[in-house]
Amino acid sequence: KAGVTQTPRYLIKTRGQQVTLSCSPISGHRSVSWYQQTPGQGLQFLFEYFSETQRNKGNFPGRFSGRQFSNSRSEMNVSTLELGDSALYLCASSKGSLQGTGELFFGEGSRLTVL
Amino acid sequence: KNEVEQSPQNLTAQEGEFITINCSYSVGISALHWLQQHPGGGIVSLFMLSSGKKKHGRLIATINIQEKHSSLHITASHPRDSAVYICAVLPEETSGSRLTFGEGTQLTVNP
Repeated sequence: KAGVTQTPRYLIKTRGQQVTLSCSPISGHRSVSWYQQTPGQGLQFLFEYFSETQRNKGNFPGRFSGRQFSNSRSEMNVSTLELGDSALYLCASSKGSLQGTGELFFGEGSRLTVL
Repeated sequence: KNEVEQSPQNLTAQEGEFITINCSYSVGISALHWLQQHPGGGIVSLFMLSSGKKKHGRLIATINIQEKHSSLHITASHPRDSAVYICAVLPEETSGSRLTFGEGTQLTVNP
């Protein structure tokens, strides 16, 4: 059974550009959540999608957005990049339900560097 | 004060030692996760707990809901256990996977 796949694994952008990251969950999983990890702030929740609907959103500015497709694949987008957006972006999938999530399965992450 | 506090922040042990990592939280929760992160970034979910105790191989996780405290124990530690261990909670008023994370415990096990 294939795991959670994130692409790209590494990318370098400059300030003001935008970036799109992709996450393919484990087959059959309906919930995809995104997290940002930085040395200063640690791991922080970005948002979660369940059955193509955003179910939760963390405390991030509107420059951070996401979506989920009918096959449960998810993308997140960061517009007008800032230096502080340099981070490891992780996604996790789970079977999910209307009530909760269950065990999380993480991807390897996309490491974004903003110059 | 962070909602999730882990101790110790850093831990060095000799191979074979029994290891305990602690997690205290200040909010009511519906679940607690223990995660393992190796260099390079990948995260593995070790346990999800809402009460009691769980065991998987050499790893044991316990939670005391009344005291708002959880522990992760590693028996017969091995150098391959070297990693960052992260405690994360799902607050009662939230749903899904809106986790709040501790800062992590860096574990180094020397041969």
